[in-house]
Amino acid sequence: AQSVTQLDSQVPVFEEAPVELRCNYSSSVSVYLFWYVQYPNQGLQLLLKYLSGSTLVKGINGFEAEFNKSQTSFHLRKPSVHISDTAEYFCAVSADGGSNYKLTFGKGTLLTVNP
Amino acid sequence: GAVVSQHPSWVICKSGTSVKIECRSLDFQATTMFWYRQFPKQSLMLMATSNEGSKATYEQGVEKDKFLINHASLTLSTLTVTSAHPEDSSFYICSALGNSPLHFGNGTRLTVT
Repeated sequence: AQSVTQLDSQVPVFEEAPVELRCNYSSSVSVYLFWYVQYPNQGLQLLLKYLSGSTLVKGINGFEAEFNKSQTSFHLRKPSVHISDTAEYFCAVSADGGSNYKLTFGKGTLLTVNP
Repeated sequence: GAVVSQHPSWVICKSGTSVKIECRSLDFQATTMFWYRQFPKQSLMLMATSNEGSKATYEQGVEKDKFLINHASLTLSTLTVTSAHPEDSSFYICSALGNSPLHFGNGTRLTVT
């Protein structure tokens, strides 16, 4: 079984500031890692994913994340945030198994970007 | 890009009635669909996994007789909340998997009065 811990439930930042949203996971097998964004009353949109290869993954909207196997982390970063980045962000894992996309989500981090 | 349509986007029903939520993959065939439930300010909890033409696999603690899932075609899965009660009020989200990565619907807000 896998589990995901998002260490911060809320992260307030000012516009154009850098931000890091933290995610740690535990699993007894290799995993795929994902970050999703959810705007109010909407579904989830994939920001980026790590399947294999380079540990630094670049996604949409200027976000990137780095997979650190030794620290079992997959923190999400953006060098300069915008008001429009205000949303809930979810980290998720899926057991390595080819097409297995059965996801386990963290509890989410609410990113609030203030002017 | 691939789109998953979920309908209705919101529904209000009276306690004791049943509600059906549809999840459609619009431009791809979804061999597998997942149903999630999200409580306010909390994460998504997987309820069940459905594969086209076979019975859904429910997660531990999810009542299969209350949350009926049907995946009759490669583009449609339905979740029926039977005899709904106020505690069933929640945000229900489906996701669909074809040959492309997982795509999520926009969710259904269910309010049971």
